[in-house]
Amino acid sequence: DADVTQTPRNRITKTGKRIMLECSQTKGHDRMYWYRQDPGLGLRLIYYSFDVKDINKGEISDGYSVSRQAQAKFSLSLESAIPNQTALYFCATSETRSEETQYFGPGTRLLVL
Amino acid sequence: GQNIDQPTEMTATEGAIVQINCTYQTSGFNGLFWYQQHAGEAPTFLSYNVLDGLEEKGRFSSFLSRSKGYSYLLLKELQMKDSASYLCAVLTPTGGFKTIFGAGTRLFVKA
Repeated sequence: DADVTQTPRNRITKTGKRIMLECSQTKGHDRMYWYRQDPGLGLRLIYYSFDVKDINKGEISDGYSVSRQAQAKFSLSLESAIPNQTALYFCATSETRSEETQYFGPGTRLLVL
Repeated sequence: GQNIDQPTEMTATEGAIVQINCTYQTSGFNGLFWYQQHAGEAPTFLSYNVLDGLEEKGRFSSFLSRSKGYSYLLLKELQMKDSASYLCAVLTPTGGFKTIFGAGTRLFVKA
């Protein structure tokens, strides 16, 4: 079984809809991240969490919100989806007190019409 | 500011050696990563350098020069399955340690 899972894997939605992307991990890591990836722009950090009570904005947090429901679960919400949020979204985890190697989920491909 | 530069695309021949360069300018430095990402898949860890010098791991080696803000990933005995994007990423101490990713280098391996 995969250590980091994301649901859904693919999603098509309409402008203005609220959607949630979910991430779960069985690695026991404290740190979790949400990135989006666009062609030519690489991975950009949306939000990150170092433990259940710690949530931080990344470089492109506008239009997104997150919830860390438990150590193992970190959800990303798009409050009112817009077409330029069409992207590939990755969840990742890392273990504190290591070299911060990140372990990525399989990604969610989101299309906003 | 935070800036990581790497070539957009490279092409190499099966069995050859290829070097992918990365230069960085970041607010602080706590290590440099290389990740491999096949099309449509998640990035996977390849290497980590925190001290200057060469780290070798099988067919892959990674080099770091902190004074020059420079790293390279060396792939030897190229195989078709090495066709992928290679992401250079810097761990910075800002915001309680965050990783900044470059845009990636797409490597095409031809027969």
